[in-house]
Amino acid sequence: AQTVTQSQPEMSVQEAETVTLSCTYDTSESNYYLFWYKQPPSRQMILVIRQEAYKQQNATENRFSVNFQKAAKSFSLKISDSQLGDTAMYFCAFIHETYGGATNKLIFGTGTLLAVQP
Amino acid sequence: DTAVSQTPKYLVTQMGNDKSIKCEQNLGHDTMYWYKQDSKKFLKIMFSYNNKELIINETVPNRFSPKSPDKAHLNLHINSLELGDSAVYFCASSPWTDRFSYEQYFGPGTRLTVT
Repeated sequence: AQTVTQSQPEMSVQEAETVTLSCTYDTSESNYYLFWYKQPPSRQMILVIRQEAYKQQNATENRFSVNFQKAAKSFSLKISDSQLGDTAMYFCAFIHETYGGATNKLIFGTGTLLAVQP
Repeated sequence: DTAVSQTPKYLVTQMGNDKSIKCEQNLGHDTMYWYKQDSKKFLKIMFSYNNKELIINETVPNRFSPKSPDKAHLNLHINSLELGDSAVYFCASSPWTDRFSYEQYFGPGTRLTVT
């Protein structure tokens, strides 16, 4: 069974600094996708960044980047120049690749609550 | 324009009642999902539908019955509500053929409180 583990229930960072959120996963699949979703107090789930397992290059989206270590099954999120609006719950999620999409269920970690301090 | 919408956003009801949550997406996606987020913020899939056909049915009590009148809508009906059903329910959608993305688009969630 696939599992996703986020070992940091809560983290805090000063505005403008850099923070890294950890995520590990367990799967026997070789083709899959990894995501980081952000859930601010509004509770809307917002996709932050996506990584395809077949790509060696780490994904980046503006201030957000990942460190994807496939052999170690690790997928950490780095947030640079943290902003107050980054305060949110962050979820790491996994989905394995199948042909057709309906059998694809996102498997989520337990989340990391990030507080950006002014 | 709202991509995935849910109604209502908040629902407070008493134990034993029957309630429905509606979801609509205007993205043209073929696949829709229901996820439950419990009080500890843990998210887990409940159901998925592809073009009105039930595909995933996780171990959810049969008091929960999803219904998809067309591929743009997926409703969740809950019978005989229990205290443990209190949670946030998220609807999501994704394209069927987009195997290079697998991104799921989430609605705003419905906070259900059973008293």
